[in-house]
Parts: sequence; structure tokens; C-alpha cells
Amino acid sequence: SQTIHQWPATLVQPVGSPLSLECTVEGTSNPNLYWYRQAAGRGLQLLFYSVGIGQISSEVPQNLSASRPQDRQFILSSKKLLLSDSGFYLCAWNPGTSGTDTQYFGPGTRLTVL
Amino acid sequence: AQKITQTQPGMFVQEKEAVTLDCTYDTSDPSYGLFWYKQPSSGEMIFLIYQGSYDQQNATEGRYSLNFQKARKSANLVISASQLGDSAMYFCAMREEGGGGATNKLIFGTGTLLAVQP
Repeated sequence: SQTIHQWPATLVQPVGSPLSLECTVEGTSNPNLYWYRQAAGRGLQLLFYSVGIGQISSEVPQNLSASRPQDRQFILSSKKLLLSDSGFYLCAWNPGTSGTDTQYFGPGTRLTVL
Repeated sequence: AQKITQTQPGMFVQEKEAVTLDCTYDTSDPSYGLFWYKQPSSGEMIFLIYQGSYDQQNATEGRYSLNFQKARKSANLVISASQLGDSAMYFCAMREEGGGGATNKLIFGTGTLLAVQP
């Protein structure tokens, strides 16, 4: 069966510091991968998605970037965090063209920028 | 423009009763998929149920069923025999127009917070 991991679970970072959040998927190959952000009490905002290694599409211009160095690894980064980067970050995967369009989510990372 | 609307910011239901969470949508795609997710206080988004636009029957998964009314563009979630553990935020979502095939991007509603009372 497929599982998705995210770490760290929680993170408190000062403004201006770098960020690296990691997401990995097990039990599948060539998945579509997605990064979402959820502000407190709000809905989900798609930040990035990837349909393959090295292929990244950005949905919203921002202070963040994403990379996919391996088939089942998706990384969200920032060089200098802003207060507005605080939120709950969710990674999701989908089988891509080989299956359902349902997305399955990881446990999330709660980021607080002070 | 494509849109998902959840008009109920919050709902209360008594334990063991049924509850309906509303979702309406708008899309120009002739083929589309609708999803419901549950987000408990822990934060993880849990997939509940899926309805395809060409599915002949309403989707059901255990205590969850989807009341799909295509002409009215509504896809309401019905939870039968509510349990205390059903207390959570519930999101309706649909595949983004042109987001099928390679990308499978979803757009989400703003959510409904359900509180199950003993």
C-alpha cells in the first residue's frame, strides 16, 4: 500500500531564516506530487505541483520554491522566510495518468514564522 | 469560472443523527470529478468519497454518501449515524478544468466545520 510522509511535523523559524520541508511517498512510482498551504481557518491553496522528476509548476508567485530530486521526493524551500509564510503545509500525491485523480495527503507540517 | 461553494461555515448535529453538508459547483467541463475530504483537528486531509460526473449512481462509502444532483450542480455529503469522531472540517473539491490527465489538480471549497454533540 502507498504511504506519504512529511517532516518535520512542526517548525518554528525566525523571519529571514531558510526553510526546507520534505515529502516522500512509498509504494508507488511516478506519482504526481503537490504542495498546498492552509492559513489558519482557511481553505487549501495549491503552491506547486510536479508530474515528474525535475518538473515543477508554480501556481502562486511567492517566496517559496519546490524541487523534485527523486521520483518520490518533493521538497519545499525558501531562502528567507517571511511572517506571511506561516501556515500548515500539506503534501499530496496522485497516481498521475495511470489511475484515479484522487489526491492523498500527508500529515502536514505546521510552520510558525516569528 | 470554475468554482466550488460551501455555504455552511459551521454545523451542529446530535450523535447518531444524520447530517447533510452542502456543496455546489460550477464548471464548463463536460466530464468532472467531485471529492469530499475530512480534516480533523490533527490537520491531515482524509479522502472520504468520490463522484464522477457520468456515474449513474450516487457514491457511497460506509456511513458516507454523496447526494449528486447534476442538473442543480450540487454534490452534498450525507453522514449517517453521526459519531463524536466525525467532528472535523469537511472540504468539497473538484478536478480543475483541464486538470485531468497529466496534472489532476483540484480546487477546494472553503470548508464546513461539523460539531457532533453527545
